[in-house]
Amino acid sequence: AQKVTQAQTEISVVEKEDVTLDCVYETRDTTYYLFWYKQPPSGELVFLIRRNSFDEQNEISGRYSWNFQKSTSSFNFTITASQVVDSAVYFCALSEADQGGSEKLVFGKGTKLTVNP
Amino acid sequence: ETGVTQTPRHLVMGMTNKKSLKCEQHLGHNAMYWYKQSAKKPLELMFVYNFKEQTENNSVPSRFSPECPNSSHLFLHLHTLQPEDSALYLCASGHGGSGLLGETQYFGPGTRLLVL
Repeated sequence: AQKVTQAQTEISVVEKEDVTLDCVYETRDTTYYLFWYKQPPSGELVFLIRRNSFDEQNEISGRYSWNFQKSTSSFNFTITASQVVDSAVYFCALSEADQGGSEKLVFGKGTKLTVNP
Repeated sequence: ETGVTQTPRHLVMGMTNKKSLKCEQHLGHNAMYWYKQSAKKPLELMFVYNFKEQTENNSVPSRFSPECPNSSHLFLHLHTLQPEDSALYLCASGHGGSGLLGETQYFGPGTRLLVL
């Protein structure tokens, strides 16, 4: 069974601080994909990044960066110089293919990030 | 602006009511999904449709009835719900059916349902 653990339920920081959201996953598959989504108060899940299991290069996109380490089964997400608009619930997810060939995402419970001015 | 729309955005219904949630995707995807998000719980996959065929029913009670008339539209028909069914219901779409793992799912804004 696949599992995604986001141990941090809630994090509160002050604007401009750096913050790292942890994600640890379990899978028996050798090929898999990992995702991060952002859910602002409006409710919609916004796609942030997809990473496949063969690509361990870290990725940076503006103030966002991701650290993928297969050795520790972790896919952590860092926001640099956080802003109030970063306040949201962040979900890590792991993919698997169902019998019909469709994508199935297994989500963690999410980390609620509050950035205070 | 999202490529996946959901209506209504908010819904209050009694336990004896019948209502339907609607989802429409404008992304040319072949797969559509219903998820349930309850407080303090991970997102739960409910149904998966791939090329209009249901490929997953994740042990969802029969009071929830999905319908997928075409690859762009997905409905969730609700009948005699319980208060514990109150949640945010999210629709998503993805390429699906391609046999390629790792296709991204794109989500709609959700319908916040309250069952009284």
